[in-house]
Amino acid sequence: QVQLQESGPGLVKPSETLSLTCSVSGASINSQYWSWIRQPAGKGLEWIGRVYTSGSANNNPSLRSRVTMSLDVPKNQFSLKMTSMTAADTGVYYCARDLGGSREAFDIWGQGTVVTVSS
Amino acid sequence: DIQMTQSPSSLSASVGDRVTITCRASQSVSKFLNWYQQKPGKAPNLLIYGATTLQNGVPSRFSGGGSGTEFTLTITSLQPEDFATYYCQQNYGDFWTFGQGTNVEVK
Repeated sequence: QVQLQESGPGLVKPSETLSLTCSVSGASINSQYWSWIRQPAGKGLEWIGRVYTSGSANNNPSLRSRVTMSLDVPKNQFSLKMTSMTAADTGVYYCARDLGGSREAFDIWGQGTVVTVSS
Repeated sequence: DIQMTQSPSSLSASVGDRVTITCRASQSVSKFLNWYQQKPGKAPNLLIYGATTLQNGVPSRFSGGGSGTEFTLTITSLQPEDFATYYCQQNYGDFWTFGQGTNVEVK
């Protein structure tokens, strides 16, 4: 059974960098696609970006200059770094998997981690 | 960006009702359209991918239709566990977007 678990600081100061990690169990991160998605409190979902084993990635253009995603294959983890955080970045951050190709949809999600941007 | 617009934004329904949610794309996304269900405090759950394919384990009362710019999610007989928020999501090209959500609440 594939499971994803986000980890990282729940509180980030304005202008600082957010670092989140998603640990994958029950599957290898090789040959699959891994995304980050966020959701402000009481609002809808926003796709942040997606990374593949090869290191190729594509990001939401509105966040692209602030976002870096990477894979740690030996640890079976992938990570998100988002710079210059503001209050508008407060919300729940999810990691998710998609299988690509004809099954390009987020079939497995982490439980989400709450990130608050405040001084 | 491809904008996704769901209608209605919310609806009230009763157990046993047939419910249809519409998702419109600002340009054609072919059949690159997925549907998710989200309950309060939980991560979304994939229902339909490729516009019409039911995800493993999802009840057959859920079905998806459409292509191009107009899509539907239909629940043929609403069950108590179906009261939730539903999102469409397009995965056409390199930049993916979600609809704003449709809240299905108890009438």
